[in-house]
Amino acid sequence: DAGVIQSPRHEVTEMGQEVTLRCKPISGHDYLFWYRQTMMRGLELLIYFNNNVPIDDSGMPEDRFSAKMPNASFSTLKIQPSEPRDSAVYFCASRSSSGANVLTFGAGSRLTVL
Amino acid sequence: KNEVEQSPQNLTAQEGEFITINCSYSVGISALHWLQQHPGGGIVSLFMLSSGKKKHGRLIATINIQEKHSSLHITASHPRDSAVYICAVNSGNTPLVFGKGTRLSVIA
Repeated sequence: DAGVIQSPRHEVTEMGQEVTLRCKPISGHDYLFWYRQTMMRGLELLIYFNNNVPIDDSGMPEDRFSAKMPNASFSTLKIQPSEPRDSAVYFCASRSSSGANVLTFGAGSRLTVL
Repeated sequence: KNEVEQSPQNLTAQEGEFITINCSYSVGISALHWLQQHPGGGIVSLFMLSSGKKKHGRLIATINIQEKHSSLHITASHPRDSAVYICAVNSGNTPLVFGKGTRLSVIA
């Protein structure tokens, strides 16, 4: 397996633009997590899905953020409109509920909002 | 107060030194994880443990459930060990709660 695949790796955009981040989890993993990492706050959970269903989105900062998981192999995190304070690295991670409870992280998407 | 506290925040060591990074948590857990994040950003899971000790190469992780404390040790440290080490805990199937990380620099 190629691991958790995220795209884009880097995105620079202007304030007010829509940003869409994409994630392909490891095949067979039934949990998917979106995290945001900043210098000030470290890693923060934004939302997670189990079997494509959102379980907890209490970490989503505000209505500008939305996430979907239309099927077991794809998820998106959308920011509309983007603001400079959204600049961060966004990680997607997945794991299986069976076996070891170990997360596999994607390489991250570094977002810069000017 | 953060549920997961790590110390130190930053650590600089000479190559070959024995390194200890500490993690304390305030909630009941089913597992504690140690993660490594290299410059460039990729995050890798090093250990998951719920009791005792685990060893992988030069890395050793221990946990004391009663004291709600874990340590990550690196023996014979090397510059390639330079990274951010992150402690995280979870209970059952709940998501991980992360510490802020410890930034380690090993100088040759």
